[in-house]
Amino acid sequence: DAGVIQSPRHEVTEMGQEVTLRCKPISGHDYLFWYRQTMMRGLELLIYFNNNVPIDDSGMPEDRFSAKMPNASFSTLKIQPSEPRDSAVYFCASSPVAAGTQYFGPGTRLLVL
Amino acid sequence: EDQVTQSPEALRLQEGESSSLNCSYTVSGLRGLFWYRQDPGKGPEFLFTLYSAGEEKEKERLKATLTKKESFLHITAPKPEDSATYLCAVQANNAGNMLTFGGGTRLMVKP
Repeated sequence: DAGVIQSPRHEVTEMGQEVTLRCKPISGHDYLFWYRQTMMRGLELLIYFNNNVPIDDSGMPEDRFSAKMPNASFSTLKIQPSEPRDSAVYFCASSPVAAGTQYFGPGTRLLVL
Repeated sequence: EDQVTQSPEALRLQEGESSSLNCSYTVSGLRGLFWYRQDPGKGPEFLFTLYSAGEEKEKERLKATLTKKESFLHITAPKPEDSATYLCAVQANNAGNMLTFGGGTRLMVKP
């Protein structure tokens, strides 16, 4: 299996622009997680889905952030409008129901100027 | 609220110098405790899951142990390639597959 796939790997944008991050989970995994990692706050859970349904979005910082999972093999995290404080590495992870172990993608490094 | 605290924040070792990393946790019913390794510029890579106090797991130079309040990651005779950030996370019984992560320990092994 190719593992969790994320795109783009790097994104540089200007403040106010819309940013869309993409994730393809491991086939057969029922859970999908979006995280943000910064030096100051470490790894923070933003939102997670079970069977394509958002279960907990309490970690989403504000209304500028939204996430969707239209099918079992694709999810997006959108930031509109972006701000410099959104600069971070964003990870997607997936896990099967039974095991609980999460498998992470390579991340998207976002820089908002 | 589930909490995970890792210590030390950073650790420098000479090659061959064994040591331990600590992960203290509070959780409302532990389903599992997870250890991950993260290399610069990459996503966390799964190492171990521990489920109950007294359990131990080993992989090469790494051994993870678990008590009711903390977990240790023991590194025996480390090599420079063991340099990475090690992350600990807990999963509660009533939390689906959610993980709560600690801040990590950045390990540097010098040749």
